Amino acid sequence: RKEVEQDPGPFNVPEGATVAFNCTYSNSASQSFFWYRQDCRKEPKLLMSVYSSGNEDGRFTAQLNRASQYISLLIRDSKLSDSATYLCVVENQGGKLIFGQGTELSVKP
Amino acid sequence: GAVVSQHPSWVICKSGTSVKIECRSLDFQATTMFWYRQFPKQSLMLMATSNEGSKATYEQGVEKDKFLINHASLTLSTLTVTSAHPEDSSFYICSAHTGGNQPQHFGDGTRLSIL
Repeated sequence: RKEVEQDPGPFNVPEGATVAFNCTYSNSASQSFFWYRQDCRKEPKLLMSVYSSGNEDGRFTAQLNRASQYISLLIRDSKLSDSATYLCVVENQGGKLIFGQGTELSVKP
Repeated sequence: GAVVSQHPSWVICKSGTSVKIECRSLDFQATTMFWYRQFPKQSLMLMATSNEGSKATYEQGVEKDKFLINHASLTLSTLTVTSAHPEDSSFYICSAHTGGNQPQHFGDGTRLSIL
């Protein structure tokens, strides 16, 4: 079993749709949690950190449930520019980042 | 903001060549840097943790004699892929911590193609 698992995707949605990404992690000692986005053939870029209290940044909302070891990302009013692969990432001791396999999102006009 | 620079961005070499990739932190000191590898359609996999002034620690299954890491200063880590073969073709990315609870910053990545 992979340490970080995400919806396999791809997600194909029309502009304006709401999209939800789900992620589970297996290491209960994981310390920090993030969502990154990766555009084709580029490095991953931090989208947002994820906190137990939940956090929102504009159209993006992230949630963490430590008890169930579950992380989510919600994108509202999706734009064409949101098309990318979304990576669920956990940070373990020593700063090691463990990446999920990514979920590809394609937003169509 | 903090920037991590990686060089070169793209390399095409013949089989058997050794390739060196540099990762620099441009406006901060990084005692620890990380090297990742990403094969097509797969996610990033941590290869090793590069520690300034000491030996790198490698993840299980990563050959330390194949992937030589040197972290001689607080702003530079290098990864050398020795005697590269086609199966080493991949996207190699480094990252660095600015410290504390700050998220890591990634380099632009190096696309390595071995013919």
